[in-house]
Amino acid sequence: SAVISQKPSRDICQRGTSLTIQCQVDSQVTMMFWYRQQPGQSLTLIATANQGSEATYESGFVIDKFPISRPNLTFSTLTVSNMSPEDSSIYLCSVEGTGGHEQYFGPGTRLTVT
Amino acid sequence: EDQVTQSPEALRLQEGESSSLNCSYTVSGLRGLFWYRQDPGKGPEFLFTLYSAGEEKEKERLKATLTKKESFLHITAPKPEDSATYLCAVQAGGTASKLTFGTGTRLQVTL
Repeated sequence: SAVISQKPSRDICQRGTSLTIQCQVDSQVTMMFWYRQQPGQSLTLIATANQGSEATYESGFVIDKFPISRPNLTFSTLTVSNMSPEDSSIYLCSVEGTGGHEQYFGPGTRLTVT
Repeated sequence: EDQVTQSPEALRLQEGESSSLNCSYTVSGLRGLFWYRQDPGKGPEFLFTLYSAGEEKEKERLKATLTKKESFLHITAPKPEDSATYLCAVQAGGTASKLTFGTGTRLQVTL
């Protein structure tokens, strides 16, 4: 399984500001995924990021709010823009395993917006 | 729309007291059903993938089974270190790897 790291592990931000979350994988992967886990709720897919193409966003998520970069096969960033308290959540990146369709997750970034 | 419902929301067991967690799902063309374990402050840890009804997978004290409408995670003689939230997710055919998660079952195993 891939080893995934995320930075920062947690942050407290003021409303109206933006935060960029980094996701680094120890091997080359085609697809990377960004999820949100709000308190007491399930993980929800924000977008899928393929290297060399625009990210694909799920219903309810837009590029202006959650711009994603995917500059190479081992790295991606998710920016949470113009934050409000409703954006307080855990943000997780994941990659698909080489053996099947399972996904492996990073440790998450815990974001609190005040 | 794909849906995953997990029950119970929370479960408290004594060490050695076996039980089962339920995951009911509706999906258009199941590509795979996944079980994860999540400890507080950490990302989900992959446990099992099940692909077709009748399939079973085992790992230590955990056994996952699958029918056409639901999956069960059986925990045999649990230990306190099995305490965690267990998440179920489905992947539909043709959805480009998207996972749809349930809200999980919080398991606490006491001495």
